[in-house]
Amino acid sequence: GDSVTQMEGPVTLSEEAFLTINCTYTATGYPSLFWYVQYPGEGLQLLLKATKADDKGSNKGFEATYRKETTSFHLEKGSVQVSDSAVYFCALNQAPETSGSRLTFGEGTQLTVNP
Amino acid sequence: KAGVTQTPRYLIKTRGQQVTLSCSPISGHRSVSWYQQTPGQGLQFLFEYFSETQRNKGNFPGRFSGRQFSNSRSEMNVSTLELGDSALYLCASTSLGLAGTKDTGELFFGEGSRLTVL
Repeated sequence: GDSVTQMEGPVTLSEEAFLTINCTYTATGYPSLFWYVQYPGEGLQLLLKATKADDKGSNKGFEATYRKETTSFHLEKGSVQVSDSAVYFCALNQAPETSGSRLTFGEGTQLTVNP
Repeated sequence: KAGVTQTPRYLIKTRGQQVTLSCSPISGHRSVSWYQQTPGQGLQFLFEYFSETQRNKGNFPGRFSGRQFSNSRSEMNVSTLELGDSALYLCASTSLGLAGTKDTGELFFGEGSRLTVL
């Protein structure tokens, strides 16, 4: 079945440091890939997405590129801020037109950014 | 445009009781799905409803059930509560199937209902 593996946390960085959170997936076909973020006490918010190979999703300084050859979708940000402290989830949707809205999530990575 | 609304936000129940959680999707969204989030198991898919029909179901016991109404609002019910049912229950809606919308599989989540079972 489909699966998503994220780098284990927690990750602690200083403000303005470079961030990478690794995500690899196992799926047949061409899934859509997502990064969601969850701030304390809140639900999940979509951070960025990519729907086909070589697509780059970007938002709020975060980027991730859909790499089919390595089945990866690593999240990066050049300079993190304290406000980026949250839990980040990588997820895939195999085929929304057939599998509907069923997302497969990674384990989540807790990021803490210190001033 | 209002987001996904879940009620109640917090609730405390005792073992053996039952609970009903409610979710109002984004206006126009016809697909509603439910997820359980726990520290140990992470985010797990419960079920999805589309146009009042259950379309997908995760690996949860029959104590977990749901339904969707004609206005796309959804409820989920957990009967005979167990301590292990303590979790954050997240509802999400999507524009899947909405005319003129590309189905990327993106979900819009509510803030969740936090259930504590004592």
